[in-house]
Amino acid sequence: DAKTTQPTSMDCAEGRAANLPCNHSTISGNEYVYWYRQIHSQGPQYIIHGLKNNETNEMASLIITEDRKSSTLILPHATLRDTAVYYCIVRVFGGFKTIFGAGTRLFVKA
Amino acid sequence: DGGITQSPKYLFRKEGQNVTLSCEQNLNHDAMYWYRQDPGQGLRLIYYSQIVNDFQKGDIAEGYSVSREKKESFPLTVTSAQKNPTAFYLCASSSGQGRIYGYTFGSGTRLTVV
Repeated sequence: DAKTTQPTSMDCAEGRAANLPCNHSTISGNEYVYWYRQIHSQGPQYIIHGLKNNETNEMASLIITEDRKSSTLILPHATLRDTAVYYCIVRVFGGFKTIFGAGTRLFVKA
Repeated sequence: DGGITQSPKYLFRKEGQNVTLSCEQNLNHDAMYWYRQDPGQGLRLIYYSQIVNDFQKGDIAEGYSVSREKKESFPLTVTSAQKNPTAFYLCASSSGQGRIYGYTFGSGTRLTVV
């Protein structure tokens, strides 16, 4: 599985959109982009995934560039409860040895 | 509700002792995984199992052992050979057909060597 690069930390004001970038320049054609988040001392929680099209669900939106070398997770109206570490990973469908990097620590401030 | 249960939540071990962390899932998932997380760091794969009675080493398997005798259960033993076992341990599972949706994680076990 390809590696990803994310900023170490980001701040966001409550109620504003949080845009979390991820670089995955070595992604291959059969690898999906997944986003998870981990609230302190809990297990990571699945947020969203995509292959090449933009995706949206009740939690977030995922924007993948046309060349698939980067993506952005968007939390449209961040709340204090969105403060967490966000992991961007790339993974072959059915793959087992997924690499979780250090992620981005998002601080949502009142 | 279906999910993954890890127990205990906190575990203290004396140096030189083996300890077993429990992971049970009722999601009917085929694959199960163990990850280790150190403070401020990402997750590192210890072992994974695709089916019952089969498992493979991950990136940091030394000092750990697992078994997969039942589909629902994937216990991890931290042996005395593990040099620095203090960490947060996470168990996860994924289904064969639904693996595209990634992993479901347990709430973790925090192991401290005293």
